[in-house]
Amino acid sequence: KAGVTQTPRYLIKTRGQQVTLSCSPISGHRSVSWYQQTPGQGLQFLFEYFSETQRNKGNFPGRFSGRQFSNSRSEMNVSTLELGDSALYLCASSLLDRGGAQFFGPGTRLTVL
Amino acid sequence: GEDVEQSLFLSVREGDSSVINCTYTDSSSTYLYWYKQEPGAGLQLLTYIFSNMDMKQDQRLTVLLNKKDKHLSLRIADTQTGDSAIYFCADCSFGDKLIFGTGTRLQVFP
Repeated sequence: KAGVTQTPRYLIKTRGQQVTLSCSPISGHRSVSWYQQTPGQGLQFLFEYFSETQRNKGNFPGRFSGRQFSNSRSEMNVSTLELGDSALYLCASSLLDRGGAQFFGPGTRLTVL
Repeated sequence: GEDVEQSLFLSVREGDSSVINCTYTDSSSTYLYWYKQEPGAGLQLLTYIFSNMDMKQDQRLTVLLNKKDKHLSLRIADTQTGDSAIYFCADCSFGDKLIFGTGTRLQVFP
């Protein structure tokens, strides 16, 4: 079974632009979560989706948004990019409605210049 | 709020056992996880333990959970150079939101 895939793997943008990242969960998984990893703040939770509904949201500004499609694929969008948005963005999927194993993709490395 | 703490570094000799420790503050934790991250890679799930368990063993990995002290540990038996990586402890209490520790960098020397 294929793992979690994320596209693109690397992205370079300039301040003020917007970006869309994509995540395809493991087949059959309906829960998708997003995390931001930076050297200064570590791993921080962005949001979680289940059956196209956002169930949980982390403490990030409204510039960060996401959605989930009927096939469980998810996208996250960051508008008006700032230098501090440079990070590794990780997506995780889970089979169960609550709890259990969460599997991560390889991440998208976003660099904002 | 919830917090998860780990020591930053651990250095062990190849063949020895490694023990990585983690403390958490959330009393309503349901699952606790250990992830491994190698340079330039995502997070690899190593193992996880349900909060009503005390111990879980999986090949070279042993997880111990002391719920009273909110302490979690990961023991890696017969540590190899390929085990060199950053290890993250994560706590899950509300839905599927994971709270991660800062990560412990494990260095294995010959």
